[in-house]
Amino acid sequence: EIVLTQSPATLSLSPGERATLSCRASQSVGYYVGWYQQKYGQAPRLLIYDASKRATGIAARFSGSGSGTDFTLTISSLEPEDFAVYYCQQRSNWPMTFGQGTRLEIK
Amino acid sequence: QVQLVQSGAEVKKPGASVRVSCKASGYTFTAHYLHWVRQAPGQGLEWMAIIHPSGGNTIYAQKFQGRVALTRDTSTSTVYMELSSLRPEDTAVYYCTRVASPTAGPAYFFDYWGQGTLVTVSS
Repeated sequence: EIVLTQSPATLSLSPGERATLSCRASQSVGYYVGWYQQKYGQAPRLLIYDASKRATGIAARFSGSGSGTDFTLTISSLEPEDFAVYYCQQRSNWPMTFGQGTRLEIK
Repeated sequence: QVQLVQSGAEVKKPGASVRVSCKASGYTFTAHYLHWVRQAPGQGLEWMAIIHPSGGNTIYAQKFQGRVALTRDTSTSTVYMELSSLRPEDTAVYYCTRVASPTAGPAYFFDYWGQGTLVTVSS
């Protein structure tokens, strides 16, 4: 099973700042990584798929990059509604797995 | 619009079984794989199982083999997830979720999610 390790566990930033979230895979997953945002009490929402493609309706301030084992989600300028938990997911190997999450909190 | 509507919260005793339903609407039910993902309180996401509503083919995570079963009813566009031999550690919110592309294989990303069903296992 591929393990996805997200860092940091918690990121404290202010609105308007740039956020950089990391996801590292225990073995190569090509570019088959996606990112989700989850707010308290809600289901996850797909932001990025296949490492760098924005899902439908996702704001341009969200971008993804990476391949192989190292992936990054960048939020260029944080809006108040961006403070949430973010998960990465790989679809390269069964079973599909998720990272443990990064909590993005207001500083 | 696409919707996945799940059945309500359940409270079960250890050793019992639970059945959670997921009714799809707003798209061609048989075109997209449906997965089940669970989330224990304060924890991350855990993939459990997948079904293709057209043929009923299923794949289960090894962790849940023998305890989970997915079925579907194409006449009502509903998928059912049954989890047996419940333990307190099965307490979680269970989500059904749709693969984003009808042409993708079973392993893909998820664009629509149900609202989640809280299953509590307690004596």
